[in-house]
Amino acid sequence: SQTIHQWPATLVQPVGSPLSLECTVEGTSNPNLYWYRQAAGRGLQLLFYSIGIDQISSEVPQNLSASRPQDRQFILSSKKLLLSDSGFYLCAWSVKGQADYEQYFGPGTRLTVT
Amino acid sequence: GESVGLHLPTLSVQEGDNSIINCAYSNSASDYFIWYKQESGKGPQFIIDIRSNMDKRQGQRVTVLLNKTVKHLSLQIAATQPGDSAVYFCAETPASNTGKLIFGQGTTLQVKP
Repeated sequence: SQTIHQWPATLVQPVGSPLSLECTVEGTSNPNLYWYRQAAGRGLQLLFYSIGIDQISSEVPQNLSASRPQDRQFILSSKKLLLSDSGFYLCAWSVKGQADYEQYFGPGTRLTVT
Repeated sequence: GESVGLHLPTLSVQEGDNSIINCAYSNSASDYFIWYKQESGKGPQFIIDIRSNMDKRQGQRVTVLLNKTVKHLSLQIAATQPGDSAVYFCAETPASNTGKLIFGQGTTLQVKP
């Protein structure tokens, strides 16, 4: 069966520090991968999505970036965090082609920028 | 840009009653509409979807209704249970087959024992 992992689960970082969040998927190959951010009490905002290695689209201009060095690994990064980067970051995957709107989410990383 | 929103931020129901969660969308070109359930501290979980050429779809204890005339989507949960307590999000996907989802703000469902 497929599983999706995210780490760390929680993170507290000072303003201006770098960020690296990792997501890995097991049990499937060539998935679509997504990074979302969820502010407290709000819906999910799509940040990045990837249809393949080194194929990444950015949805929202910001100080975040994403990379996909391997088929089932998706990394969210920042060189300098802002207070507004605080939130719940969710990684998701979907099967390419059929029902790719049916996305499977990871457990999330709660980031607090202080 | 397109947005998907919800009519009520919180819905409180008695255990055993039916729940109806509503959603309004703005993009009439969207191909699929989806409901997700998010329990506290967890990622969202897919519940049910409906394609734009349908007006009703049933799952186990859940029914999704789509009214394209007024751009309205609803999720009906029969015999609501305490385990149904969560935030429910509607989402829509454009017809571009990228798997990109546009999420609404969410409705919190509280089930009273």
